Amino acid sequence: ILNVEQSPQSLHVQEGDSTNFTCSFPSSNFYALHWYRWETAKSPEALFVMTLNGDEKKKGRISATLNTKEGYSYLYIKGSQPEDSATYLCAFPSTFIFGSGTRLSVKP
Amino acid sequence: ETGVTQTPRHLVMGMTNKKSLKCEQHLGHNAMYWYKQSAKKPLELMFVYSLEERVENNSVPSRFSPECPNSSHLFLHLHTLQPEDSALYLCASSQLPSGGIGELFFGEGSRLTVL
Repeated sequence: ILNVEQSPQSLHVQEGDSTNFTCSFPSSNFYALHWYRWETAKSPEALFVMTLNGDEKKKGRISATLNTKEGYSYLYIKGSQPEDSATYLCAFPSTFIFGSGTRLSVKP
Repeated sequence: ETGVTQTPRHLVMGMTNKKSLKCEQHLGHNAMYWYKQSAKKPLELMFVYSLEERVENNSVPSRFSPECPNSSHLFLHLHTLQPEDSALYLCASSQLPSGGIGELFFGEGSRLTVL
């Protein structure tokens, strides 16, 4: 069973702060990794699909990197805004397993 | 407007009731999923249907019974549930079946309370 760890569990930052969090996974048999954003009272939405070691993807102020050899992916948010407040999940499509998420709260 | 629609959004049922959750996707996908979100737990996979055939059943109790009559519709039939089954049930769809890399598209969930 693939063990997916996300850290930290929760994060409270001020508007304008940059932040990052981690998804850790066993490095063997990697296939692909997804990042999702889940806002309260909404449905989870895919942010990134990461497949190759060294992948770096960007969407506005949010970016993600992937290191399959050491078994981690980072999600970065530059200049956090209150609308970035959400739970950020990583997931493995080959096994349908999700991490427990990082809950981000951005205070104005 | 989401491409995956779930009904009802909220459901309260007694332990002896029989009810169903419905999911419909308008994205032309060929795989559909049921996930369970309990308080302070990660999303847990319950069922996967690919091309209308069940390809994964993650040891879910038989009081949960899925049905996928076609690639656009997915049901979760509920019978004699327990209070610990109270949770948010999320439906999702994707373009690729098991083992693929396509991202999941989720509905907004059905919040179930079992009294």
